[in-house]
Amino acid sequence: GESVGLHLPTLSVQEGDNSIINCAYSNSASDYFIWYKQESGKGPQFIIDIRSNMDKRQGQRVTVLLNKTVKHLSLQIAATQPGDSAVYFCAEKRANAGGTSYGKLTFGQGTILTVHP
Amino acid sequence: EAGVTQSPTHLIKTRGQQATLRCSPISGHTSVYWYQQALGLGLQFLLWYDEGEERNRGNFPPRFSGRQFPNYSSELNVNALELEDSALYLCASYYQRTGGDGYTFGSGTRLTVV
Repeated sequence: GESVGLHLPTLSVQEGDNSIINCAYSNSASDYFIWYKQESGKGPQFIIDIRSNMDKRQGQRVTVLLNKTVKHLSLQIAATQPGDSAVYFCAEKRANAGGTSYGKLTFGQGTILTVHP
Repeated sequence: EAGVTQSPTHLIKTRGQQATLRCSPISGHTSVYWYQQALGLGLQFLLWYDEGEERNRGNFPPRFSGRQFPNYSSELNVNALELEDSALYLCASYYQRTGGDGYTFGSGTRLTVV
């Protein structure tokens, strides 16, 4: 079946360190991926996205890497700050897939990132 | 620009009752998605509405239903509430933008069934 999953449910880092959050997906038809950050009591907030025709995309302090060969996605956060503490979700979408997958984002379980001062 | 608004923020219901949750998308956005997020779990797709019509639904029983109004706001109804329906219900407003798809989430409605 289809799934988007994470290798690690929790990650603790020191302030200033770099963080890497991983995500595995099972469907090679996935062509669009998004990373979200969810803080307590709030809805998911868009961080960065990447299409399947790319293998790397950079934003401000964040980088997403996509390895289609092993169906793996990662989010790298540089110089992690206490304000980065949150749950991070990857999500995938299959454009124009039709059927039950049409139009919806499928989310992974999430990784809890804790940044210690 | 106002974001996605959901109401109420918290809702407490008794098992067997019905719950109604509301969502107002960002102005101009015609698509609304509903997700269920049980405690400690990821987001499970519930329903997708676009231009007033249901386009897709997730693997949930028929007692989960909804609708989208002409102004694109949406309502999620959960009938015959069960204890396991307790969760955060999130609504997302969607638009297609250059370079990627835009999903903006509201802060959710926390539904507690007792």
